Amino acid sequence: LAKTTQPISMDSYEGQEVNITCSHNNIATNDYITWYQQFPSQGPRFIIQGYKTKVTNEVASLFIPADRKSSTLSLPRVSLSDTAVYYCLVGDGGSQGNLIFGKGTKLSVKP
Amino acid sequence: GAVVSQHPSWVICKSGTSVKIECRSLDFQATTMFWYRQFPKQSLMLMATSNEGSKATYEQGVEKDKFLINHASLTLSTLTVTSAHPEDSSFYICSARDDSHEQFFGPGTRLTVL
Repeated sequence: LAKTTQPISMDSYEGQEVNITCSHNNIATNDYITWYQQFPSQGPRFIIQGYKTKVTNEVASLFIPADRKSSTLSLPRVSLSDTAVYYCLVGDGGSQGNLIFGKGTKLSVKP
Repeated sequence: GAVVSQHPSWVICKSGTSVKIECRSLDFQATTMFWYRQFPKQSLMLMATSNEGSKATYEQGVEKDKFLINHASLTLSTLTVTSAHPEDSSFYICSARDDSHEQFFGPGTRLTVL
């Protein structure tokens, strides 16, 4: 399973766009990239998933370069409620399918 | 999205007792369920993978006789922490995978062993 590296923490202010980059140099051909959000004492919540190029949904965008060795989660116009830990995971969801969590990025949004 | 529930949401027990945590997929059938443990200010650590009707696969360092996992149906998996000790106090999270291989997480169970 590909190992991921993310910044330990990031600070932002309300209304700003936040970009969190994740490195996954040994990503396999069949691997997808998935981002989760976790609030204290809650289970992780799915944000977005992608394989290559760009994916956008109602809460975030995911940018994946051609070599797929990194990915960037983009949160537009963050609010205080976006303060959480964000995890980048890489896996093929196949017969193994288990997701291995890295340390995540603690995002703190300030007023 | 699909919903996964856990029961109880929190539990306090005495040292030496056993505690059972339930994980249910409410609106889909989960052939595979996963159990994670999370200590304060740390990431989730995978404990075991359980497939319906078969024995669970435990990660290295996780005692299978201490953390009993049963996955008797496609919507229910249970984790029993046997002879719990204070060091077992943690946040236990389950997840369930559907046919599309998406993984959905439960809300977690806070276990405190006195």
